[in-house]
Amino acid sequence: GDSVTQTEGLVTLTEGLPVMLNCTYQTIYSNPFLFWYVQHLNESPRLLLKSFTDNKRTEHQGFHATLHKSSSSFHLQKSSAQLSDSALYYCALRGYNQGKLIFGQGTKLSIKP
Amino acid sequence: NSKVIQTPRYLVKGQGQKAKMRCIPEKGHPVVFWYQQNKNNEFKFLINFQNQEVLQQIDMTEKRFSAECPSNSPCSLEIQSSEAGDSALYLCASSRVDWVNQDTQYFGPGTRLLVL
Repeated sequence: GDSVTQTEGLVTLTEGLPVMLNCTYQTIYSNPFLFWYVQHLNESPRLLLKSFTDNKRTEHQGFHATLHKSSSSFHLQKSSAQLSDSALYYCALRGYNQGKLIFGQGTKLSIKP
Repeated sequence: NSKVIQTPRYLVKGQGQKAKMRCIPEKGHPVVFWYQQNKNNEFKFLINFQNQEVLQQIDMTEKRFSAECPSNSPCSLEIQSSEAGDSALYLCASSRVDWVNQDTQYFGPGTRLLVL
């Protein structure tokens, strides 16, 4: 079945350094939707980025990601981390015409001063 | 910002008791999802509806879990006989149905269930 893998459970960075959170997926669908959701402490998940277009960079709030179907990846990046970026980040997959989201295990991003 | 409303925010039940939580989706969103987020922050899809009709559900929801989305009333998720392992954050999300926007699910604040 469909699956999403986030290899890092915890990423700790110093403010100002670049961020890269890994996401790879498996699906039988040729046109999946990929998402990044961010969940701050005691809050609900909020959509950060989404894409279904191969090799097209999508950006929002300083974060960016590019869906690469050839490698089944949708890594999240930011050029300079801020303290307020500390949160849980989830990569999620939605197969074509399948309503439910398949979430990865989540990556806790912790930004230190 | 999401406008999905979930009540109650916190729910404490004893084992074997019923636990019921409600969700009002965003206006104009006919598709409603329920997810369970456990203490390890892992998500599990439970069930989804389009208007009043069930679209998908997992096996777990066919046994102790029941859910409905009646017209002109909040959607609900009920656990008939709560177990300690049901302690989790239950998240409701809603989305539109047009092809461009149906992919985005907007989450409510969740109901945190504690089964003692």
